[in-house]
Amino acid sequence: QKEVEQNSGPLSVPEGAIASLNCTYSDRGSQSFFWYRQYSGKSPELIMSIYSNGDKEDGRFTAQLNKASQYVSLLIRDSQPSDSATYLCASGGSYIPTFGRGTSLIVHP
Amino acid sequence: EAQVTQNPRYLITVTGKKLTVTCSQNMNHEYMSWYRQDPGLGLRQIYYSMNVEVTDKGDVPEGYKVSRKEKRNFPLILESPSPNQTSLYFCASAYRGPGNTEAFFGQGTRLTVV
Repeated sequence: QKEVEQNSGPLSVPEGAIASLNCTYSDRGSQSFFWYRQYSGKSPELIMSIYSNGDKEDGRFTAQLNKASQYVSLLIRDSQPSDSATYLCASGGSYIPTFGRGTSLIVHP
Repeated sequence: EAQVTQNPRYLITVTGKKLTVTCSQNMNHEYMSWYRQDPGLGLRQIYYSMNVEVTDKGDVPEGYKVSRKEKRNFPLILESPSPNQTSLYFCASAYRGPGNTEAFFGQGTRLTVV
């Protein structure tokens, strides 16, 4: 069973802080990794994708991938209340995406 | 515009009355999938399809049917809905390949079975 594991949270951070979200995956054949943001009642939207070891930065978001440890993370700098949402980690193993259950992030003023 | 379209967005129905939720994508994706999402349980996969006429069960297939007669369409059928199928449903599609398998989601269908 290919799995993606995330801590369900909630992760609570103050406005302006760095939020760190983590994810582990079981399928060593996975080649692509994604972070989705989902607001309550809305569909998930892709915010970051990463394919190789190391860091990838896009604005306030940084995705980190460590294939040896089978670990993916998402850092959100200067967190804003509008970042409050559930963040889904997904791996693109075996040609189809596998999703974690998501981590709830709360950014409080 | 690349998109996945689900209909209806909202549906209230009665126990036992057959219903179909449609899903259509315009990206020529091989892979399509249905998920349900309930509070605290994340996305749970109902059925998925790797290509036309190829479907397989996900984690929670009981009470659901699907078909994939055309590449673009992947309807979800509830033959005899029950209240425990009240949920938020998402359809998704993805390019099926060894590289980028980014999933694109429909807007969601909120189903209530009374």
